[in-house]
Amino acid sequence: QITLKESGPTLVRPTQTLTLTCTFSGFSLSTTGMGVGWIRQPPGKPLEWLALIYWNDDKRYSPSLQSRLTVTKDTSENQVLLTMTNMDPVDTATYYCAHYSGDYFAKYFDLWGRGTLVTVSS
Amino acid sequence: EIVLTQSPGTLSLSPGEGASLSCRASQNINSRYLVWYQQKPGQAPRLLMYDTSSRATGIPDRFSGSGSGTDFTLTISRLEPEDFAVYYCQQFGISPYTFGPGTKVEIK
Repeated sequence: QITLKESGPTLVRPTQTLTLTCTFSGFSLSTTGMGVGWIRQPPGKPLEWLALIYWNDDKRYSPSLQSRLTVTKDTSENQVLLTMTNMDPVDTATYYCAHYSGDYFAKYFDLWGRGTLVTVSS
Repeated sequence: EIVLTQSPGTLSLSPGEGASLSCRASQNINSRYLVWYQQKPGQAPRLLMYDTSSRATGIPDRFSGSGSGTDFTLTISRLEPEDFAVYYCQQFGISPYTFGPGTKVEIK
């Protein structure tokens, strides 16, 4: 059974750096075709894809946020970290991590964490 | 970047009615990489459909997907009370793996 859980600060000051941890179980991030994605959702707004890290350490980022985002994995600890620099109140959102499964035939986020609400305010 | 447009923004229907949700892409997408999610208030999204028309585990057969190229459709044959939610499409064809803005299916 795959589970994911996001953790990190609930309140961040403007200009600070946010670090979120996705702790997962039920799969290995060293398995071909696996990955972990980060998605956020401001209150009352749609989903926004942020980043994806693959089993082979390949990474993809949203171009609009790429300069501020870093995603890393700790395979032995079953964790993926998302770092976002220079936080702004517009970055207030629920941040989700999700299990990615992909091959030639299909790609998707099949299981999601419950999300963590991050508020950016002074 | 592939932009996904979903229509309508809101669909007001009664239980038992059918629903047709559109997802249109700004350029061709490999249909293998078009996905639909359902999200209810206060919950994380749930995978509904992948590969355009394959139902995820546990998804009832009143949900179906179709389409190719730039036009994709999620159809709900008969709305059950638990189907009233927001539906998002997402493409994994080309990074960034963008989401559409969502269609809210609300009770009329």
